[in-house]
Amino acid sequence: DAGVIQSPRHEVTEMGQEVTLRCKPISGHNSLFWYRQTMMRGLELLIYFNNNVPIDDSGMPEDRFSAKMPNASFSTLKIQPSEPRDSAVYFCASSRGTPNGELFFGEGSRLTVL
Amino acid sequence: KNQVEQSPQSLIILEGKNCTLQCNYTVSPFSNLRWYKQDTGRGPVSLTIMTFSENTKSNGRYTATLDADTKQSSLHITASQLSDSASYICVVLAQRADYKLSFGAGTTVTVRA
Repeated sequence: DAGVIQSPRHEVTEMGQEVTLRCKPISGHNSLFWYRQTMMRGLELLIYFNNNVPIDDSGMPEDRFSAKMPNASFSTLKIQPSEPRDSAVYFCASSRGTPNGELFFGEGSRLTVL
Repeated sequence: KNQVEQSPQSLIILEGKNCTLQCNYTVSPFSNLRWYKQDTGRGPVSLTIMTFSENTKSNGRYTATLDADTKQSSLHITASQLSDSASYICVVLAQRADYKLSFGAGTTVTVRA
């Protein structure tokens, strides 16, 4: 199994630019999560999808952040416009069934906004 | 206040020695507790998942304990190896409709030769 695949692994951009992060969950997993990790705040849940439907987006910081899951094998997290405080590592994770199950994380996308 | 507190924040041990990491939580009602290992620059990887009825669970040289009455868990690393150098994160799942996971800040373990 290839695991959760994220791209890009690293992204450096300038303030105001649009950033799109991509995630392919493990085949057969119907729950997908986007997390953000910073030194100050640790891991924070941004949004959770179940069967491609957003269930909980209460962690999305503000309207500049949006996430989509057009099908069971692909999700995007978009930041527009980006700001320096968005600099962090963004993780995608997936699980089979409800979040009660084991969570499998991708390798993360490290975003630096200058 | 974070509902999952980990200690120590960091520790350094010599290769071959044992160490124990602590996790105290206030999450309620409790569903399960997980320990993850996160290598530098990598995503977290699950070590153990423990439910209310489980007191001890092992994964190789890693042994997790859970006391649901005192809301405490520990992760014991036996005969540490250089590859154990990582951040260890305690995560607690509440038994609620929103299935929210609460993350600890992690303990950074450095194993030295």
